[in-house]
Amino acid sequence: EAQVTQNPRYLITVTGKKLTVTCSQNMNHEYMSWYRQDPGLGLRQIYYSMNVEVTDKGDVPEGYKVSRKEKRNFPLILESPSPNQTSLYFCASSFWQSTEAFFGQGTRLTVV
Amino acid sequence: QKEVEQDPGPLSVPEGAIVSLNCTYSNSAFQYFMWYRQYSRKGPELLMYTYSSGNKEDGRFTAQVDKSSKYISLFIRDSQPSDSATYLCAKRGNNRLAFGKGNQVVVIP
Repeated sequence: EAQVTQNPRYLITVTGKKLTVTCSQNMNHEYMSWYRQDPGLGLRQIYYSMNVEVTDKGDVPEGYKVSRKEKRNFPLILESPSPNQTSLYFCASSFWQSTEAFFGQGTRLTVV
Repeated sequence: QKEVEQDPGPLSVPEGAIVSLNCTYSNSAFQYFMWYRQYSRKGPELLMYTYSSGNKEDGRFTAQVDKSSKYISLFIRDSQPSDSATYLCAKRGNNRLAFGKGNQVVVIP
């Protein structure tokens, strides 16, 4: 089954404790991206990657890191999480310039 | 200025009504315009896309782009309770996929 898989689905952590949210897709997509979704602010792009070893900042990259060492994986790293990073995070993938992006199930992150 | 603007207000309609949603965009370089639907506790899924000005129909759904006024619209005819979801407009260009803030639509039986 074609899908984008994120883990974990839910995470509660403390301020400053490094964490990684994993994202994997099995559709051989070149393009992958991370979004955060907050009430009243919609989906905002954090980082995106056009292919292996090619990443770039989105609208809200501060406090986040990404890497793209393999085509299928695009982890999101929070080196020192803060409460303002409490949000719902989505990973998405697509073929380059495709109209259809496939989203993961989301990761609900709470930083206390 | 955001690439795509969507007034995020909620919308409640009775079953069978027409739902009308709108977005504006700021950059004419963008060519593809999409509508995504997001059910509660799920990721967004592509509902429809259009490439150029004009209408595109898919069953009860119509997507409309007016490039002269930079308006994107989605119409849902004969709305059903199963249409209750958040609808997000989006456009692709400049290596980015940018989304509006979304409209939560509730169709009341």
